[in-house]
Amino acid sequence: GAVVSQHPSRVICKSGTSVKIECRSLDFQATTMFWYRQFPKQSLMLMATSNEGSKATYEQGVEKDKFLINHASLTLSTLTVTSAHPEDSSFYICSAQKTDRDTQYFGPGTRLTVL
Amino acid sequence: GENVEQHPSTLSVQEGDSAVIKCTYSDSASNYFPWYKQELGKGPQLIIDIRSNVGEKKDQRIAVTLNKTAKHFSLHITETQPEDSAVYFCAAHSGSARQLTFGSGTQLTVLP
Repeated sequence: GAVVSQHPSRVICKSGTSVKIECRSLDFQATTMFWYRQFPKQSLMLMATSNEGSKATYEQGVEKDKFLINHASLTLSTLTVTSAHPEDSSFYICSAQKTDRDTQYFGPGTRLTVL
Repeated sequence: GENVEQHPSTLSVQEGDSAVIKCTYSDSASNYFPWYKQELGKGPQLIIDIRSNVGEKKDQRIAVTLNKTAKHFSLHITETQPEDSAVYFCAAHSGSARQLTFGSGTQLTVLP
């Protein structure tokens, strides 16, 4: 159990367009989902924490108007990168957690390339 | 906030040897310590975790030890195999912050 999926796995878009990434917990209900960004050969950087039905909490330095997060149900959270630019190119990974004390289970990641 | 340091950044071992990765944390309130394995181009996969009420946990070839007094925890992989080659991340969960703080990662290479 505890499977998390992400879609798409890879996306290439033009500068100025918006891209939506979906994160789903397939076999459990996630009270909390997290969005991370990872640059090559670096650790995971937490972008935001989202709880079902409430506004996401963004980490310092992360623009909430640029990285829109919606957690509409206990199994789905979406990250929308608005007006993407080449510097937004990165590996975006979500994770899901059943309760505050539970393990975070990660999705397979989404490789975003902005041309 | 929590700070997690991980060493070494790279580790090469011969197949069959053991590998040890060490992490230290700063927040004494942290109570949950997972280890993740990340293969190239994939998301992190949980391989073992330990909570602060135990000092050691083992799962086949993988073990984790925790020293709360010294605020450090370690991952031990025995009888390493080439498929163990990956980046390993330690993390600490602070109850107050309600989030994981990750170490910088260790690139483990198992040489056949």
